Amino acid sequence: LAKTTQPISMDSYEGQEVNITCSHNNIATNDYITWYQQFPSQGPRFIIQGYKTKVTNEVASLFIPADRKSSTLSLPRVSLSDTAVYYCLVGDYREGGADGLTFGKGTHLIIQP
Amino acid sequence: GAGVSQSPSNKVTEKGKDVELRCDPISGHTALYWYRQSLGQGLEFLIYFQGNSAPDKSGLPSDRFSAERTGGSVSTLTIQRTQQEDSAVYLCASSLVLTGDYEQYFGPGTRLTVT
Repeated sequence: LAKTTQPISMDSYEGQEVNITCSHNNIATNDYITWYQQFPSQGPRFIIQGYKTKVTNEVASLFIPADRKSSTLSLPRVSLSDTAVYYCLVGDYREGGADGLTFGKGTHLIIQP
Repeated sequence: GAGVSQSPSNKVTEKGKDVELRCDPISGHTALYWYRQSLGQGLEFLIYFQGNSAPDKSGLPSDRFSAERTGGSVSTLTIQRTQQEDSAVYLCASSLVLTGDYEQYFGPGTRLTVT
């Protein structure tokens, strides 16, 4: 079961780009990297998923270096509404089973005006 | 269509009582997950159902916890002889689990308070 390490908290300001890095040194060949966002009193919401290199969607980008031992979630031009907890998950859950379903404590991102 | 729904939204029970928490996944989703989130903590995996396969119960914290999924759809998480440390938000999620798409869709959770 791949273990992830993220910063406990980060601060930034509106309009800035925010990068949150997750370390996963023992990632396995078949593991995917997934990021979720959670607001208070809500369930987590999927942001982005990737396997290698770079993935971009309408809300974020995910950068994964060649060795895949870390990944960086990039949020462009954050707003106050991006204040939330961000979780990095690593695992292979395609074949069934709970591998990779460890959310950890996440990174509490606080955006200030 | 509707998202994942959970009931009740809040449950207060006395220590020692049994409780049942319900999850209605998104129609057609084959995978269903239960998590527990204590105040200020991350999500703790409890149990995972995938299609007709035997569930992965590796996250259940004790034998007081059990879950079933009837007809591949609705799931019930049962906690017997509740303890104060069982107080938490219990989250359910479902996913389609097709190749390349493992996004989990979460319900709003059930806040359980054991007094």
